[in-house]
Amino acid sequence: AQTVTQSQPEMSVQEAETVTLSCTYDTSENNYYLFWYKQPPSRQMILVIRQEAYKQQNATENRFSVNFQKAAKSFSLKISDSQLGDTAMYFCAFMKHANYGGSQGNLIFGKGTKLSVKP
Amino acid sequence: ETGVTQTPRHLVMGMTNKKSLKCEQHLGHNAMYWYKQSAKKPLELMFVYNFKEQTENNSVPSRFSPECPNSSHLFLHLHTLQPEDSALYLCASSPSGSNHNEQFFGPGTRLTVL
Repeated sequence: AQTVTQSQPEMSVQEAETVTLSCTYDTSENNYYLFWYKQPPSRQMILVIRQEAYKQQNATENRFSVNFQKAAKSFSLKISDSQLGDTAMYFCAFMKHANYGGSQGNLIFGKGTKLSVKP
Repeated sequence: ETGVTQTPRHLVMGMTNKKSLKCEQHLGHNAMYWYKQSAKKPLELMFVYNFKEQTENNSVPSRFSPECPNSSHLFLHLHTLQPEDSALYLCASSPSGSNHNEQFFGPGTRLTVL
C-alpha cells in the first residue's frame, strides 16, 4: 500500500521569503503522479502543482516549484516570494497510474503542513 | 453556480438522527468522491462513483450510505452516527477516462455529532 508522509505539521515564513515543504512517499509502483493541494482557512482545497513520475523535469507553476527525487521518493514544494495569501494547509498526495484498460488510482494524502506567512 | 457545491455547510445532529449531505458539480465530470477530513489525520477516501456506479467503498461503516442519482449529484445519507464521526466531509469531482486527473473539491460540510 502507498503512504505519504509530511513531517512538518506547521511552518512559518516571512512575506517575500522562500519556504520549502517536505513530502516523502512509499510505493512499489513505477508510474504514478504526485500533487500538492492547498486548503486556505475556511476555503476550498485547490490544486497547486502536479508531477508525473516518468518526467525528470521538475514541475513549476509561477512561484511554486517542486524538487522531485524519484529514487529517494521525495517530493518537496518550494514557494518563492511568499505572500499572505499563501497561508493555508498544504497537502501532498499520490495517485497510482492507471494500467491499460483499468481505472486510475485514487488520491492518497499526507496529513498536511500548516503554513503561516507573516507580514 | 460553478464548481463543486456542498450543502449544508454546517450540520449538528444527535446520534439517533437521520440526515443527508448533498454535493453538486457543475463541471461536466463523471467521477465523484466523498472524503472525510479529521483533525491531524490524512484525508480519508470514503466512496468513489464513476458514471453513477460505485467503484470504491473504502471499508466505510454502513451508517454512511452514499447515493449517486446522476453524474452531477452525490449524496451521503447519515444515520445512527457516533461522536467520532464528527469531521469535515469533502466532496470532489474529476473527469473520467484519463490519467492524472485533477480533483476539484467542494467547500465541505462541517459535521458535529452530539
